[in-house]
Amino acid sequence: ETGVTQSPTHLIKTRGQQVTLRCSSQSGHNTVSWYQQALGQGPQFIFQYYREEENGRGNFPPRFSGLQFPNYSSELNVNALELDDSALYLCASSSTSHSSYEQYFGPGTRLTVT
Amino acid sequence: LAKTTQPISMDSYEGQEVNITCSHNNIATNDYITWYQQFPSQGPRFIIQGYKTKVTNEVASLFIPADRKSSTLSLPRVSLSDTAVYYCLVGLLSGGSQGNLIFGKGTKLSVKP
Repeated sequence: ETGVTQSPTHLIKTRGQQVTLRCSSQSGHNTVSWYQQALGQGPQFIFQYYREEENGRGNFPPRFSGLQFPNYSSELNVNALELDDSALYLCASSSTSHSSYEQYFGPGTRLTVT
Repeated sequence: LAKTTQPISMDSYEGQEVNITCSHNNIATNDYITWYQQFPSQGPRFIIQGYKTKVTNEVASLFIPADRKSSTLSLPRVSLSDTAVYYCLVGLLSGGSQGNLIFGKGTKLSVKP
């Protein structure tokens, strides 16, 4: 069974740029959620994708967008980067046949905006 | 989703039993209680989940009193590798649609030799 993987591991961008983060879900999982975790804080829910459509969104502006592909992998896109976007971005996959609280997280992508 | 309150940090020594209590006074009838563990620079990892009374797995036990307004995660005989942040989450399970997870700041457990 393959776990959740994310790429890249680390990324440095300049304010105003755009970034794309990628996530491959765990085998057999059809739902992907994205979280932002600032230093010293708990993860904050960005949005969730199920059947290639957004299925719930947290309190994040529209410049945070995503995609889910037929193989259930996913992308997180952030436009017009701001300094406060510097954080660990976590992807979590789950299956609709399991409890919604049993999500499996990847190792994250550390984004630094300068 | 019900708000949770946990201690910010706890210290322990190797071999001791650690109990982390979480308060969730506004828990709803259909809410479950779930705990996650997070090591530095890693994603959170599911530990245990329960609705009432006691749940035990190979990693931990979860104690939930009858009023369900609090819960206690019990880690038996901790080791240095149990040093991590522990999050308590409370919310509704739904098999069809997937709910999002609302994390607080968690409890930072430090295990000393």
